[in-house]
Amino acid sequence: AQSVTQLGSHVSVSEGALVLLRCNYSSSVPPYLFWYVQYPNQGLQLLLKYTSAATLVKGINGFEAEFKKSETSFHLTKPSAHMSDAAEYFCAVILIQGAQKLVFGQGTRLTINP
Amino acid sequence: DAEITQSPRHKITETGRQVTLACHQTWNHNNMFWYRQDLGHGLRLIHYSYGVQDTNKGEVSDGYSVSRSNTEDLPLTLESAASSQTSVYFCASSEPVAAGTGELFFGEGSRLTVL
Repeated sequence: AQSVTQLGSHVSVSEGALVLLRCNYSSSVPPYLFWYVQYPNQGLQLLLKYTSAATLVKGINGFEAEFKKSETSFHLTKPSAHMSDAAEYFCAVILIQGAQKLVFGQGTRLTINP
Repeated sequence: DAEITQSPRHKITETGRQVTLACHQTWNHNNMFWYRQDLGHGLRLIHYSYGVQDTNKGEVSDGYSVSRSNTEDLPLTLESAASSQTSVYFCASSEPVAAGTGELFFGEGSRLTVL
């Protein structure tokens, strides 16, 4: 069964600093991978997704993620943090075949310090 | 624009009462899901459906039920609400992976408090 691990339930960075949110997955076959963002009191919205095309995926708001099969990782990065990036971020995985359920990591709360 | 709406957005109820949370999507998606979100647990799947008359249990289905009588709606029922079911509930829908990427589209959430 697939699973997702997000390292760090809380990450704090300074405004303008690099954002790095870590995500590792376990799956016997390459999955599709997603990053979602949740702003306070809102639902989740898609940041970006990997669907077996380019391994470096660009998303909204300047975020990007790189699929590394050898490391089973899909870390999310942004070169320069902005105050508006403060939110909760979820990594998720779905198998291409079989049960079509997204499995979510536990989430990482990103805090931006002025 | 297509959307997915949940109601009520906020609900306070008492232990033992039956509660139904509504979910309606206009994406015409076959797949629909209910998750609950709790601090430290991320999103956990309660029930899901791949089409009309199809329902399946997720990882935390005890005490919950769903029914799918049409494509647009997947109501979630708590048969006898318990304090452990105090949570934020999210409904989501998606295309099948074969037709797209399986990307989920979420509602805004329903905050349920069981006293």
